[in-house]
Amino acid sequence: DAKTTQPNSMESNEEEPVHLPCNHSTISGTDYIHWYRQLPSQGPEYVIHGLTSNVNNRMASLAIAEDRKSSTLILHRATLRDAAVYYCILRGEGNTPLVFGKGTRLSVIA
Amino acid sequence: ETGVTQTPRHLVMGMTNKKSLKCEQHLGHNAMYWYKQSAKKPLELMFVYNFKEQTENNSVPSRFSPECPNSSHLFLHLHTLQPEDSALYLCASSQGWNSGNEQFFGPGTRLTVL
Repeated sequence: DAKTTQPNSMESNEEEPVHLPCNHSTISGTDYIHWYRQLPSQGPEYVIHGLTSNVNNRMASLAIAEDRKSSTLILHRATLRDAAVYYCILRGEGNTPLVFGKGTRLSVIA
Repeated sequence: ETGVTQTPRHLVMGMTNKKSLKCEQHLGHNAMYWYKQSAKKPLELMFVYNFKEQTENNSVPSRFSPECPNSSHLFLHLHTLQPEDSALYLCASSQGWNSGNEQFFGPGTRLTVL
């Protein structure tokens, strides 16, 4: 499986945008980029995913570099509830598992 | 609420006990998963069931035995566990298991083996 690299931790002020980076220089052409997050004492939850184009949903935006070797998860306005571990995961085509790394622990300061 | 429930939420068991973890999904999905999350380690996929058939077993010791009687229910039977098996066990489901489908996770069962 292609690997991803994320910072161990990041901090943000409440109500400010947050940009969570992910490097995946060995990504293959058919790998999807998935983001999940895990709030304290909960199971992971899906945030967003994309292949080549930038994606937006009610939770976040995903900006994918033109060469696809990196991507950025954007939370437009961080709230205290967004404090969680964020996982960037590459997932190949077809029946392939989610392989979680260590993720980025996001702290949000009031 | 994700539509995936797990019981019990907490379990303490001795090494000679036999217990079972239960997962139920109310989403109409046909793929279900067991993951293990140990302290200081990333989530590890244990088993995958697609349409009630086991399609993935990630070299899990035989003291963990999964069962999927139908697409809505998934069990993990535990026997003669070791203290290092103490972890958070997470169940998930998805509509098919291919790369475009998001997985919905339950809250997990926190297992302590004494």
